[in-house]
Amino acid sequence: AQSVTQLGSHVSVSEGALVLLRCNYSSSVPPYLFWYVQYPNQGLQLLLKYTSAATLVKGINGFEAEFKKSETSFHLTKPSAHMSDAAEYFCAVSGDRTASKLTFGTGTRLQVTL
Amino acid sequence: DTGVSQNPRHKITKRGQNVTFRCDPISEHNRLYWYRQTLGQGPEFLTYFQNEAQLEKSRLLSDRFSAERPKGSFSTLEIQRTEQGDSAMYLCASSATDRGAYEQYFGPGTRLTVT
Repeated sequence: AQSVTQLGSHVSVSEGALVLLRCNYSSSVPPYLFWYVQYPNQGLQLLLKYTSAATLVKGINGFEAEFKKSETSFHLTKPSAHMSDAAEYFCAVSGDRTASKLTFGTGTRLQVTL
Repeated sequence: DTGVSQNPRHKITKRGQNVTFRCDPISEHNRLYWYRQTLGQGPEFLTYFQNEAQLEKSRLLSDRFSAERPKGSFSTLEIQRTEQGDSAMYLCASSATDRGAYEQYFGPGTRLTVT
């Protein structure tokens, strides 16, 4: 079975500051990992994915994440926050090699202040 | 790609009524997934299809729920005898695993309110 823990349901950063959203996973098999962003009343948009290639993954909008097997982590970062980054962020894990079923975390709401 | 589309976007129904939602995946995506998202939670997996075959169903999918993908293209999700606990956002996603692409692309969702 797979599970995801997102530490911090709410994170607030100043515009221009570093964004760090935490995700720890549990998986009985080598996982595929994903980060999605959700804006109010919209579906989920894929930010980036890890599928056992490079451990540092770059995504859209300046986000990146690093897969650390020893720490079972896949934290999302962005060097400089922008007001438009304010949204809900979800980490997801899939435990099979075709990502047939995603297990999501409970999400982290990112607030960006001036 | 025109993206995943879902209809209707919003549905308000009275308890006990049946509702049906439709999902049109990205063209030629072989897999189609349904998830449910309640307020303050992440999406929860309900079921998925590979072409027209329904390969897995979650225990969340009670007997009142049925999903179909008759021609391997669009899919419908029907809820019979709706209950207030069915109020949620129903999300559809698709992927092209036959091309080695495992990421799922989500539609905008159908928000169901059961009164």
